[in-house]
Amino acid sequence: EAGVAQSPRYKIIEKRQSVAFWCNPISGHATLYWYQQILGQGPKLLIQFQNNGVVDDSQLPKDRFSAERLKGVDSTLKIQPAKLEDSAVYLCASSSGLAGVGEQYFGPGTRLTVT
Amino acid sequence: AQSVTQLGSHVSVSEGALVLLRCNYSSSVPPYLFWYVQYPNQGLQLLLKYTSAATLVKGINGFEAEFKKSETSFHLTKPSAHMSDAAEYFCAVSGETSYDKVIFGPGTSLSVIP
Repeated sequence: EAGVAQSPRYKIIEKRQSVAFWCNPISGHATLYWYQQILGQGPKLLIQFQNNGVVDDSQLPKDRFSAERLKGVDSTLKIQPAKLEDSAVYLCASSSGLAGVGEQYFGPGTRLTVT
Repeated sequence: AQSVTQLGSHVSVSEGALVLLRCNYSSSVPPYLFWYVQYPNQGLQLLLKYTSAATLVKGINGFEAEFKKSETSFHLTKPSAHMSDAAEYFCAVSGETSYDKVIFGPGTSLSVIP
């Protein structure tokens, strides 16, 4: 079974530029999550999708961050414009819901550096 | 509101020694509790989870954790550390439904000294 795929793995941009991350979850997983992991901290949930609907986006900075999950499969997370404090690893995870609460499968992450 | 604290941001043990990583949680509802491991430049991987069944939970790679409601703790242990155990470990708490957010602790970095 293929794991969660993310691209790119690394991205360096200047502040005020825009950037987009892509995630392909495990096949058949209805729930998809985007997390922000700042160096030295645990992952913080940005947005949770159930199929193509948003379940929780309470911690998503909506003035600059947006996310979509078209057709309930792949997802993209966009930042526009980026700020220095957005430097972090962006993790995508998916779960089937059937395997049990909290059993999430994580991708390798995208490391974003904003200069 | 749910929260997780992990005592000790860095823990060093000798190879073959006991590993003990501490986790305390706060939850207003019966919690589900998890330990995840993150190796360098990789995503998180589930080590084990507690879902109100047995209080002693066994996970992968020889790790286990014990749920103690009276102490609101879920400490992770392994009898004998291996070099390959060096990684970042995260404790997490969630509610009972798949719609409940998983809250991660700040993490503990484990170093294993040969």
